[in-house]
Amino acid sequence: AQTVTQSQPEMSVQEAETVTLSCTYDTSESDYYLFWYKQPPSRQMILVIRQEAYKQQNATENRFSVNFQKAAKSFSLKISDSQLGDAAMYFCAYRRGGGSQGNLIFGKGTKLSVKP
Amino acid sequence: DTGVSQDPRHKITKRGQNVTFRCDPISEHNRLYWYRQTLGQGPEFLTYFQNEAQLEKSRLLSDRFSAERPKGSFSTLEIQRTEQGDSAMYLCASSGESRGLSEQFFGPGTRLTVL
Repeated sequence: AQTVTQSQPEMSVQEAETVTLSCTYDTSESDYYLFWYKQPPSRQMILVIRQEAYKQQNATENRFSVNFQKAAKSFSLKISDSQLGDAAMYFCAYRRGGGSQGNLIFGKGTKLSVKP
Repeated sequence: DTGVSQDPRHKITKRGQNVTFRCDPISEHNRLYWYRQTLGQGPEFLTYFQNEAQLEKSRLLSDRFSAERPKGSFSTLEIQRTEQGDSAMYLCASSGESRGLSEQFFGPGTRLTVL
């Protein structure tokens, strides 16, 4: 069974600084997708960034980028120039590939605080 | 607003009562997912539909839980004989038919409290 582990329950960053959130996963499959979702307090979950496992190039979305290390099964999220609005729970998630479009498997999350 | 909507947003019930939640996905999306999220945890998969067909169910979905998507549009999740352990946020998500990577869009959730 696939598992996703986020080893940092809480992280804190100073506004305008950079922070990296860690995620590791376990799977025996070669075709899969990885995601980072953001869940602000009392608000719905939104997608931050996604990565196809077959792509070696790390995904980037504005201030958000990932460090995807397939051999190490590691998928960390870097947030640059942190803003107060980045404060939220961040969840790393895995989904198997192929045409199934199946369910997401989430980690337990990392609570990010941004200090002004 | 054309996002995923869920109703009700909050539900308080007494142990042993039945509850039903509704999810309206984004209109053109044919896949619909239900997840459960307890405090301090990530969402856990419950079940998923492609159109009106329920394709997958988690072991978490005990026989007290039933989900339907009768016309391939909205979905309902019913919990019978609720228990205190059912207290959680119930999240619905939908995604469209497309090759390769497909984003799941989440609704705001229904927070269930079982007294």
